[in-house]
Amino acid sequence: GAGVSQSPRYKVAKRGQDVALRCDPISGHVSLFWYQQALGQGPEFLTYFQNEAQLDKSGLPSDRFFAERPEGSVSTLKIQRTQQEDSAVYLCASSKLGTTQETQYFGPGTRLLVL
Amino acid sequence: AQRVTQPEKLLSVFKGAPVELKCNYSYSGSPELFWYVQYSRQRLQLLLRHISRESIKGFTADLNKGETSFHLKKPFAQEEDSAMYYCASRGGNTPLVFGKGTRLSVIA
Repeated sequence: GAGVSQSPRYKVAKRGQDVALRCDPISGHVSLFWYQQALGQGPEFLTYFQNEAQLDKSGLPSDRFFAERPEGSVSTLKIQRTQQEDSAVYLCASSKLGTTQETQYFGPGTRLLVL
Repeated sequence: AQRVTQPEKLLSVFKGAPVELKCNYSYSGSPELFWYVQYSRQRLQLLLRHISRESIKGFTADLNKGETSFHLKKPFAQEEDSAMYYCASRGGNTPLVFGKGTRLSVIA
């Protein structure tokens, strides 16, 4: 079946612009995770949803970052007033059940470049 | 805070040679440990997790609580093993914490 998909795959933004990154999890997966991966680093946790509920947003680096999953399926990560330090690959992952112990399946990522 | 350390950014080995990718973690309790792999132009995927005690693609990893390590090993490296490898840990209900990754290059 189809895996996790993300769009756009690449995004170039001017500093100060707002961007929206989309994640389509595997159909029926309850849990959804967002990660940020800077160049040369491992993925870093941003936020976690169980269905439409955002259960953990401790990794969001600032209040410019906002994520939602209103119908418990597709999720959007929004970054307002982008800064150069926001340049990174943003990864989405989903897992079948509503626990953090399940295997996470990753999407291909969105590469964001802020100029 | 949890921390995962992968001391080698790049590891080059010859085909057929043994390979060991090092991973050390910091967590006072009983963490779950994982190895993720990302092949060229592919997405990040789970390779193995310590609770499964399984061997995937010839790779094994043993959790050593005394040394707080979870090194990934394979007795005979293959060219198709060339990839980026990430060690990750999770304690209780906390999110996954990844290391910075090690790029394995298997030379023919």
